[in-house]
Amino acid sequence: ELKVEQNPLFLSMQEGKNYTIYCNYSTTSDRLYWYRQDPGKSLESLFVLLSNGAVKQEGRLMASLDTKARLSTLHITAAVHDLSATYFCAVDRGDYGGSQGNLIFGKGTKLSVKP
Amino acid sequence: EAGVAQSPRYKIIEKRQSVAFWCNPISGHATLYWYQQILGQGPKLLIQFQNNGVVDDSQLPKDRFSAERLKGVDSTLKIQPAKLEDSAVYLCASSPYTGELFFGEGSRLTVL
Repeated sequence: ELKVEQNPLFLSMQEGKNYTIYCNYSTTSDRLYWYRQDPGKSLESLFVLLSNGAVKQEGRLMASLDTKARLSTLHITAAVHDLSATYFCAVDRGDYGGSQGNLIFGKGTKLSVKP
Repeated sequence: EAGVAQSPRYKIIEKRQSVAFWCNPISGHATLYWYQQILGQGPKLLIQFQNNGVVDDSQLPKDRFSAERLKGVDSTLKIQPAKLEDSAVYLCASSPYTGELFFGEGSRLTVL
């Protein structure tokens, strides 16, 4: 069974600090997605990582993918309050014989950035 | 560009009642998905359409859930009869190609 595990599930950090969210998955995959969700809102696509070694950066967020280790990281640099949200990683079940776009999500990491 | 539209945003019903949710995807997107997000969890796929054909409904509880996509555009998701454990946010998403999904704001269902 394909599993996606994130840690930590809850993260409280001070503004200006750095931290990393980890996403492990149980089977090899060449594609991984990161989404952001604000309370009561929909999921916003942050990054699509398509190959081993892929690294993408947007503002204070940087995501990377190591398909051999089955690990993706979301690194937060010099956190600000506006980054407070829940962050989800997901892999595509289509890589395992399912339909493309059938995403398996982790439980999410709830990030709270305090002044 | 208009995003994925969903309605109603909120619905409260008693168990054993029925409910229907509507989704209008981004124009031109051939693929449409319905996901269920239970509080504190990540979304889980219920059903996927490609145009008006079902691609994957393996995780749809077919004894109570049904969905259709009329003319390959709008879609409705129905629950009848609802159970307490159906309380969740129902997210509709669309994609121009298989891969990146664009989500609507969701329909929050509370079953009492």
